[in-house]
Amino acid sequence: DAGITQSPRHKVTETGTPVTLRCHQTENHRYMYWYRQDPGHGLRLIHYSYGVKDTDKGEVSDGYSVSRSKTEDFLLTLESATSSQTSVYFCAISEVTGLGTGELFFGEGSRLTVL
Amino acid sequence: TQLLEQSPQFLSIQEGENLTVYCNSSSVFSSLQWYRQEPGEGPVLLVTVVTGGEVKKLKRLTFQFGDARKDSSLHITAAQPGDTGLYLCAGAGSSNTGKLIFGQGTTLQVKP
Repeated sequence: DAGITQSPRHKVTETGTPVTLRCHQTENHRYMYWYRQDPGHGLRLIHYSYGVKDTDKGEVSDGYSVSRSKTEDFLLTLESATSSQTSVYFCAISEVTGLGTGELFFGEGSRLTVL
Repeated sequence: TQLLEQSPQFLSIQEGENLTVYCNSSSVFSSLQWYRQEPGEGPVLLVTVVTGGEVKKLKRLTFQFGDARKDSSLHITAAQPGDTGLYLCAGAGSSNTGKLIFGQGTTLQVKP
């Protein structure tokens, strides 16, 4: 199994509070991603990183920010959580091949509930 | 915006039956992947198809990439209870970032 750990695995918070989710990898993969999973929507990309301090937006980035100060860590921050951000968040890592994609290895997910 | 429409979204069948899951788009993808996810875990890659018309088999699972690289299908022969799970298709665009667009997923329940 790929070495990816997410923390916390479960969190309940109140509307308006800041929340940070952490993704840590031991595989030294260049690419890291944050997805959210909601019923009927599959997985939607929030932000991704293609190197230290190199990040870009995904399709549902509003209300989220990310940082990557080290290869192994990718942080997702909700500056002011809203109920619409209640979801399961997955971190994934990858090494992109010459075809433009590679296998995504996922963490076990972080379930966030915003009351 | 690239979209992947997956159907059906839910499938409940008896052990031994065959089934097909479809993944369709109006966009062309450079490759398409299928993942399987079990409750409480992250998705795990089953297969990647790259060439239009490509067919790959994984035991009782057959994956096909459409000739125009806009659609794909997953066929399971003689489904087993162990096949129960969420199946996700994911397409890769032309950018070299590894970003994937996921379909909504198909929840498969195989009853003994």
